[in-house]
Amino acid sequence: DSGVTQTPKHLITATGQRVTLRCSPRSGDLSVYWYQQSLDQGLQFLIQYYNGEERAKGNILERFSAQQFPDLHSELNLSSLELGDSALYFCASSVEPGHYGYTFGSGTRLTVV
Amino acid sequence: GESVGLHLPTLSVQEGDNSIINCAYSNSASDYFIWYKQESGKGPQFIIDIRSNMDKRQGQRVTVLLNKTVKHLSLQIAATQPGDSAVYFCADRTGNQFYFGTGTSLTVIP
Repeated sequence: DSGVTQTPKHLITATGQRVTLRCSPRSGDLSVYWYQQSLDQGLQFLIQYYNGEERAKGNILERFSAQQFPDLHSELNLSSLELGDSALYFCASSVEPGHYGYTFGSGTRLTVV
Repeated sequence: GESVGLHLPTLSVQEGDNSIINCAYSNSASDYFIWYKQESGKGPQFIIDIRSNMDKRQGQRVTVLLNKTVKHLSLQIAATQPGDSAVYFCADRTGNQFYFGTGTSLTVIP
């Protein structure tokens, strides 16, 4: 157990729907990062939060949004889902931005049918 | 490295042999590097790191080599075991951002 908790582990939904992925960072970590990993591809950075504020944006679609709450957990909202959104979504956390490495959760596998 | 969405390169080694996984990064300002291991169905796990003021660092059965001149990083795994089968990513830090390589899929043949 890495200390980063992601729920749900698996999600199957239909095109056009909206889902919310949840992440609880490791205790003491203030930064949360979201990544998308499609089959046999690398980690694509989506968005980063630090202590409730957005710090950096990567290749995140306008249909996707995220937030970090006062208790530091984060949610990634994916709307108007398309087949191509099927992927593993990872959350990672660190003490602060750029701190020595990230701790990753075990991911949420999203399947859009 | 920066992930460019390419399919993973693969490496197959015999159990007991040494493995070498390579990674190129693009930003000469990168000051810190990490290797991660990702087993099937799991999130990436930290293996070993190295700062830019070093050229070699050793862990348990793993060694990371850094060549800043050619912006190249390698991970050496000694006496590779079946449990080492996984995807290995390098990550480099520039400023306060980490950039991940595409990854290499290592398969250990018993």
